[in-house]
Amino acid sequence: AQSVTQLDSHVSVSEGTPVLLRCNYSSSYSPSLFWYVQHPNKGLQLLLKYTSAATLVKGINGFEAEFKKSETSFHLTKPSAHMSDAAEYFCVVSEMHLTSGTYKYIFGTGTRLKVLA
Amino acid sequence: DTGVSQNPRHKITKRGQNVTFRCDPISEHNRLYWYRQTLGQGPEFLTYFQNEAQLEKSRLLSDRFSAERPKGSFSTLEIQRTEQGDSAMYLCASSLDSGRSYNEQFFGPGTRLTVL
Repeated sequence: AQSVTQLDSHVSVSEGTPVLLRCNYSSSYSPSLFWYVQHPNKGLQLLLKYTSAATLVKGINGFEAEFKKSETSFHLTKPSAHMSDAAEYFCVVSEMHLTSGTYKYIFGTGTRLKVLA
Repeated sequence: DTGVSQNPRHKITKRGQNVTFRCDPISEHNRLYWYRQTLGQGPEFLTYFQNEAQLEKSRLLSDRFSAERPKGSFSTLEIQRTEQGDSAMYLCASSLDSGRSYNEQFFGPGTRLTVL
């Protein structure tokens, strides 16, 4: 079975400093990986996704992530944090159901990002 | 607004009561998913529909839970004889199936259930 592990439950950064949110995955084949963001009282929003086309993936709002197969990692980064980045971030792997042949999401436990003024 | 909508946004009920939630997906999406999210956890898969057919159910979905998607449009999730452990955020998502692992799911804002 596929899984993702988010290594930090909470991360605090100062506004204007870099953001690093860590995610490791476990997969028996080449995975599809995603990062979603969840702001309070809002739905989950896709930041970016890895589909094996390129190992460095650029997403919305200046975020990017690099797929590293040797390290089984898919860490999310941003060069400069903004106050509006404060939210919960989820790393997600897509797993195929063997019986139906379709895909479902497996979520990590989330990382809460706090941005200090 | 053409996103996924969910109603109600909040529901407070007493233990033992039945509750029903509704999800309206993006209109052209043929897949619809239900997830449950408890405090401090990521969403956990409950079930999904391909059009009106319910194709997969998680073991989390006890016999007190039932979901429907009549005519392949909106979906309802009903919980009978609610228990305090059912308190959670219930999320709905939809996607357009292309048979690929990287299909994006679009999420609604969720329904927060509190069972007293």
